[in-house]
Amino acid sequence: GENVEQHPSTLSVQEGDSAVIKCTYSDSASNYFPWYKQELGKRPQLIIDIRSNVGEKKDQRIAVTLNKTAKHFSLHITETQPEDSAVYFCAAEEGSASKIIFGSGTRLSIRP
Amino acid sequence: DSGVTQTPKHLITATGQRVTLRCSPRSGDLSVYWYQQSLDQGLQFLIQYYNGEERAKGNILERFSAQQFPDLHSELNLSSLELGDSALYFCASSTRTGGTGELFFGEGSRLTVL
Repeated sequence: GENVEQHPSTLSVQEGDSAVIKCTYSDSASNYFPWYKQELGKRPQLIIDIRSNVGEKKDQRIAVTLNKTAKHFSLHITETQPEDSAVYFCAAEEGSASKIIFGSGTRLSIRP
Repeated sequence: DSGVTQTPKHLITATGQRVTLRCSPRSGDLSVYWYQQSLDQGLQFLIQYYNGEERAKGNILERFSAQQFPDLHSELNLSSLELGDSALYFCASSTRTGGTGELFFGEGSRLTVL
């Protein structure tokens, strides 16, 4: 089955700087890779996703890149703001089943 | 508001007991997923249903079971509870049978086993 590894587990960046979170996956048949943000005490919410037929996708300050050959994908947040502080989860859809498997999460803190 | 409703929001019970968590998906969504989130842990996939049928299973314990009813609401039953079952249980729904679409999460049911 699919296994998703996520690094780093914690990340602290200065406000205004960029943050990068990296994930690897094991199932070469996976084609869908979403990212979720979970604020403290809240439910996870989708912030961006990418499918295997594209290598990069941007939405304002957030971008995701995908390297299918290497089986890794990354989340990039530019010009970080205090409201970006949260736990971020990468995920992958297991190719042969209907599962969305999540990484272990990255706790991002933005220093003022 | 995601449109996914979970009840109860909080539940405190004792070891050995049985509880039922309920989830009502967004209107029109046929898929329901259950995830377990322990303290400072990730989201562990438990099980997925589509239009009343089980579609995928994760590392769900034998003491746990779930079902999706004709009206598409779902219940997660946890029995012979242990201290380690204390966690936040999320239900999520989506429109598609596969995962190629956004999961809409409920607010979660926080289970505390004493």
